[in-house]
Amino acid sequence: QQQVKQSPQSLIVQKGGISIINCAYENTAFDYFPWYQQFPGKGPALLIAIRPDVSEKKEGRFTISFNKSAKQFSLHIMDSQPGDSATYFCAVNTNAGKSTFGDGTTLTVKP
Amino acid sequence: DAGVIQSPRHEVTEMGQEVTLRCKPISGHDYLFWYRQTMMRGLELLIYFNNNVPIDDSGMPEDRFSAKMPNASFSTLKIQPSEPRDSAVYFCASSFGGQGTQYFGPGTRLLVL
Repeated sequence: QQQVKQSPQSLIVQKGGISIINCAYENTAFDYFPWYQQFPGKGPALLIAIRPDVSEKKEGRFTISFNKSAKQFSLHIMDSQPGDSATYFCAVNTNAGKSTFGDGTTLTVKP
Repeated sequence: DAGVIQSPRHEVTEMGQEVTLRCKPISGHDYLFWYRQTMMRGLELLIYFNNNVPIDDSGMPEDRFSAKMPNASFSTLKIQPSEPRDSAVYFCASSFGGQGTQYFGPGTRLLVL
């Protein structure tokens, strides 16, 4: 049973555009929702994370929107840049620290 | 801090051989995670430790896989015997607290022929 579903699988955006990646989860036992960014040949790195007691968190050009009732959260990248081209993973964490990752979204930002 | 250190970075072995992957977490971190990444299955949590004690090994695929953490600064993931389907990138990550930021190592790229 897949606990977190991520979409789209791939995304192409023009420079300056908005990139939106969505995740939906199935279990209400999760209480921490991070997004990771991974460049080829590197390990994932935490980009931004949110807890379920807030509906939105913004850090620079990156924003997480969280809808607890719908069990969905999304990553918005404003003013997308070619350097943002990478694979993005959402994850859901239990309070015991166990992480389950989405399948990833490959983002390509065209100059 | 040097970050999470993994060795070797690349490993090529033949089916049936034993493979040992090594990880040094960030000093002071009390959680250590082992992940496997493949195109087919994505990023999977294999096992994680808290204060050197295994907490959840439900992601370990088979008895051929075993992991140990003899002290706070070292962990191993062993595959014996290895099979071609074990070919993947294996990541180690560490965090301070279960909800702390997980810092990933550079990974070990394993190819089993």
